[in-house]
Amino acid sequence: ILNVEQSPQSLHVQEGDSTNFTCSFPSSNFYALHWYRWETAKSPEALFVMTLNGDEKKKGRISATLNTKEGYSYLYIKGSQPEDSATYLCAFNAGGTSYGKLTFGQGTILTVHP
Amino acid sequence: GAGVSQSPSNKVTEKGKDVELRCDPISGHTALYWYRQSLGQGLEFLIYFQGNSAPDKSGLPSDRFSAERTGGSVSTLTIQRTQQEDSAVYLCASSLKPGSNQPQHFGDGTRLSIL
Repeated sequence: ILNVEQSPQSLHVQEGDSTNFTCSFPSSNFYALHWYRWETAKSPEALFVMTLNGDEKKKGRISATLNTKEGYSYLYIKGSQPEDSATYLCAFNAGGTSYGKLTFGQGTILTVHP
Repeated sequence: GAGVSQSPSNKVTEKGKDVELRCDPISGHTALYWYRQSLGQGLEFLIYFQGNSAPDKSGLPSDRFSAERTGGSVSTLTIQRTQQEDSAVYLCASSLKPGSNQPQHFGDGTRLSIL
């Protein structure tokens, strides 16, 4: 059973704060790591798909890094806004016979207070 | 363009009844996935269709669950003899190509409640 852990479970920040959270995954048989944002009453939205060790991706104020050797990825949000409030999910794929199959973490619930 | 469409958005049914959940993927997307989120749990993989290949059914929790994808487009997830533990949000996603490095595009889900 693949173990994908996200921390913290929830986070409250003030508008304008920068924040980050962690996704830990098995360091063996790595193929891809996905990040999604899931706002209440909406569908999950893809943020990043990362495949290479040392990869860094950026989308506006959100960025992510990847360390496949030690099995972790960080998601950063710079200058948080209330509209960033959502559950942030990471998902791991081991490739091989698991091709296409994502194992999700439990998510980090972010609340940004005005 | 249109996103992934799921129907119904909500379904309430009695224990023991069969239910069918429908997913219309984004046009041209060859890969289709079903997940569910039970209360207090993370997203759980159920089944994956990739083009004309045999689906990966490894996540289906019991033989009461089945899914098909007709004509490489619309998919139906069927749950027979529903149990209360089947209550969950069922999400469908599609991606342009098969492959774990492809972002998945999700529908709004079907909230299934078994009484």
